[in-house]
Order: sequence, then C-alpha cells, then structure tokens
Amino acid sequence: GDSVTQMEGPVTLSEEAFLTINCTYTATGYPSLFWYVQYPGEGLQLLLKATKADDKGSNKGFEATYRKETTSFHLEKGSVQVSDSAVYFCALRASGTYKYIFGTGTRLKVLA
Amino acid sequence: GAGVSQSPSNKVTEKGKDVELRCDPISGHTALYWYRQSLGQGLEFLIYFQGNSAPDKSGLPSDRFSAERTGGSVSTLTIQRTQQEDSAVYLCASSPGQGKLEKLFFGSGTQLSVL
Repeated sequence: GDSVTQMEGPVTLSEEAFLTINCTYTATGYPSLFWYVQYPGEGLQLLLKATKADDKGSNKGFEATYRKETTSFHLEKGSVQVSDSAVYFCALRASGTYKYIFGTGTRLKVLA
Repeated sequence: GAGVSQSPSNKVTEKGKDVELRCDPISGHTALYWYRQSLGQGLEFLIYFQGNSAPDKSGLPSDRFSAERTGGSVSTLTIQRTQQEDSAVYLCASSPGQGKLEKLFFGSGTQLSVL
C-alpha cells in the first residue's frame, strides 16, 4: 500500500544552520506531496505542497522538490530560526483518492 | 466558527467504557477526516467523509470504532469498549472538497487516556 517514510528525529540544530529532513514515498501513479508542520501547542498546518514531478513547493523559507525518479520530497531550509522548532510531517495523497497518508513526523529543535 | 473545533479536548475513561468524540468542521467544507496520533506512530488515517458519498472506513482499526457525520457537517467518532491501546490524540480535519483547495485544516485534537 501507499506509505511515507521520514527520517527519525529529533533533529537538533543551531540557529542559522542548514536544514534537511528526508522524506521518501511509495505510491502508485502520481501522488500529490505535502509537508505539514505542528508548532508547540498548535494544530497541524500546511507548510507547502507539490502536485506533479519536478514541482517545487516553498513557503516561509522552506522548500521541497518533487523527485519522481527517487520518490522523494525532502524538506530544506537554508537558515533555520528558533521559531522553526516544531514537528514536521511529510504526507501524500495518492492519485484517484482523497486519503492523505502521513509519515511519523520529525521533531526539529533549533537552539539559539 | 473560524476553524475546526473538537470536543472534548481531553477525555479520561476506564477500560471497557464507550467514548464519543465530536468534530465541528469549517462551515462549507464537504470533506472531513479522522486521524489518530500516537507517540512514534505519526498520523494514522481512520475514516474519510465526502459530501453524501459513502465514507471510506478503510483505516478503522477494529469494529469497536465507528463514525458518523450528520447533515454533512458535525461528525462523531465512537469507540466502544475502550482498551488501553486506544489512548492517543484523535485529530479531525476538514477540507473544501474534491477538486477544490487541496489543504487539510486540522482541529486541536482530543487527548484520550484509557486507564
């Protein structure tokens, strides 16, 4: 079945460091891909998305590129801030369905 | 309301009791989802409603779990004869629906603790 695999956390970085959170997926067809973020004490919210191969989603300095050849959607940010500390979830929606499959989440902690 | 509302925010129950969790989606959203968030397990899909179509129940873990959506709006997730392994955060999300904005709007969840 369809699935999403994320790197395990927690990830601890110093402020202004470069961030990569790996995400790979298994799905038939051409899924849509998403990153959701859960800040402390808040609900999950959409960070960015990409709906077809080679698309790049971006928001708040974060980027992710839909790579069909490697079935990946890695999240990157050039310079993290303390306020980026949160749990990040990679997700997919398989084509032909409206079921969203989420990964296990990766906790990011940014130190000042 | 402005967002997805879930109640109660916390529920403590004894093993074997039944519980009901409520979700009020954003007005006008035709799609509604229930997920379960457990430590180290990520978000586990439970059930999906879209308008008047038959729900996708493929994620419900056992026949102790059921959900309904009345009038295309409010949804209730019922867990019968609760077990300790049911302890988790139950999240509800809504979306404008098929062919529209592809984004889930999540509630703050119900923390269920089964003693």
